[in-house]
Amino acid sequence: DQQVKQNSPSLSVQEGRISILNCDYTNSMFDYFLWYKKYPAEGPTFLISISSIKDKNEDGRFTVFLNKSAKHLSLHIVPSQPGDSAVYFCAASDLGNTGKLIFGQGTTLQVKP
Amino acid sequence: KAGVTQTPRYLIKTRGQQVTLSCSPISGHRSVSWYQQTPGQGLQFLFEYFSETQRNKGNFPGRFSGRQFSNSRSEMNVSTLELGDSALYLCASSQDRFNSPLHFGNGTRLTVT
Repeated sequence: DQQVKQNSPSLSVQEGRISILNCDYTNSMFDYFLWYKKYPAEGPTFLISISSIKDKNEDGRFTVFLNKSAKHLSLHIVPSQPGDSAVYFCAASDLGNTGKLIFGQGTTLQVKP
Repeated sequence: KAGVTQTPRYLIKTRGQQVTLSCSPISGHRSVSWYQQTPGQGLQFLFEYFSETQRNKGNFPGRFSGRQFSNSRSEMNVSTLELGDSALYLCASSQDRFNSPLHFGNGTRLTVT
């Protein structure tokens, strides 16, 4: 039972354009959501998070949107840069268990110069 | 601040052996979690420790165990290694406060032959 799903295994975007990565979840107990970026042979790097009391959170070029009724979140990267090319994971937990994250399968983003 | 440090980076073991992996969290972080990453199963939660006590446990067999010391450093142990235990093992730490994300180390790559 996959509680967090990233249905697009890969995404290719031109440099300077917007990258939109999507994530769906099924467990209505989740109330804390995060995005991580991962390069090969490295651990995931935290990018941005959002709690269920908000529907949007911004940090520089990264914005996360949360639609609780649809159980859907998305990460927008504007403008995309070649250095953003990596695997992106969304993750979820309930606030009482922030050490226990449930991860999606990841989306490989390629930003072309 | 130094990040999460995991040792060793690489390990090769034989089926039936046991292995111990080590993790030093970010200074001041009291929660330490462990994850397994494999190509087939993605990132899966193993367990979480806080103040030397296991607070959460994932769906892994009893061969996987861990502990946390008074200085928050943590170790995980896998006994009677199987080929399927070959994976990247990631440790993460957090401040264990509201909206406090996990920060990951670069992992230990375990190969079981």
